[in-house]
Amino acid sequence: EAGVAQSPRYKIIEKRQSVAFWCNPISGHATLYWYQQILGQGPKLLIQFQNNGVVDDSQLPKDRFSAERLKGVDSTLKIQPAKLEDSAVYLCASSFPDRVLYEQYFGPGTRLTVT
Amino acid sequence: RKEVEQDPGPFNVPEGATVAFNCTYSNSASQSFFWYRQDCRKEPKLLMSVYSSGNEDGRFTAQLNRASQYISLLIRDSKLSDSATYLCVVNSAGGGNKLTFGTGTQLKVEL
Repeated sequence: EAGVAQSPRYKIIEKRQSVAFWCNPISGHATLYWYQQILGQGPKLLIQFQNNGVVDDSQLPKDRFSAERLKGVDSTLKIQPAKLEDSAVYLCASSFPDRVLYEQYFGPGTRLTVT
Repeated sequence: RKEVEQDPGPFNVPEGATVAFNCTYSNSASQSFFWYRQDCRKEPKLLMSVYSSGNEDGRFTAQLNRASQYISLLIRDSKLSDSATYLCVVNSAGGGNKLTFGTGTQLKVEL
């Protein structure tokens, strides 16, 4: 079974520039998550989708971050404009919504450096 | 107070040692609990779920104390390959499979 795919793996941009990340979840996983992991911290949930609807975006900085999952499969996360504090690894995860174990499967992440 | 708190370590232990990690959570209505493992520059992966009755998987034992809002992970006979960061994870009350991660505890197993 193919895992969660993310691209790009690395991105370096200057502050105030824009950047977009792409995620393809495991086939059949209706729930998709975007996390931000700053060095030395645990992942922090930014947004959760159930199919193409948003379940939770309470921690998404909506003045600069946006995310979409138009067809209920792939998703993109965008930052515009980027700030220095956005430097982090952006992790995408997916899961079956009805599995008791609630295991989330993570992609390899996109490492963003804002200079 | 953070929702999930862990000692960041690092814990440096010799191969073969037994090591224990602790974690506390603030929301008494939390429903599910997990330990995830994260290797350096890799993504987190589920290590094991944590049940009130305690559960064991080989050299790993997890315990949950709901009254004290406390979770533990015990690793026996540590191997070099156990070196990683161990993330304590809580599924928030209210469903929706929202996971809250601790900062992680770093383990280094040495020869």
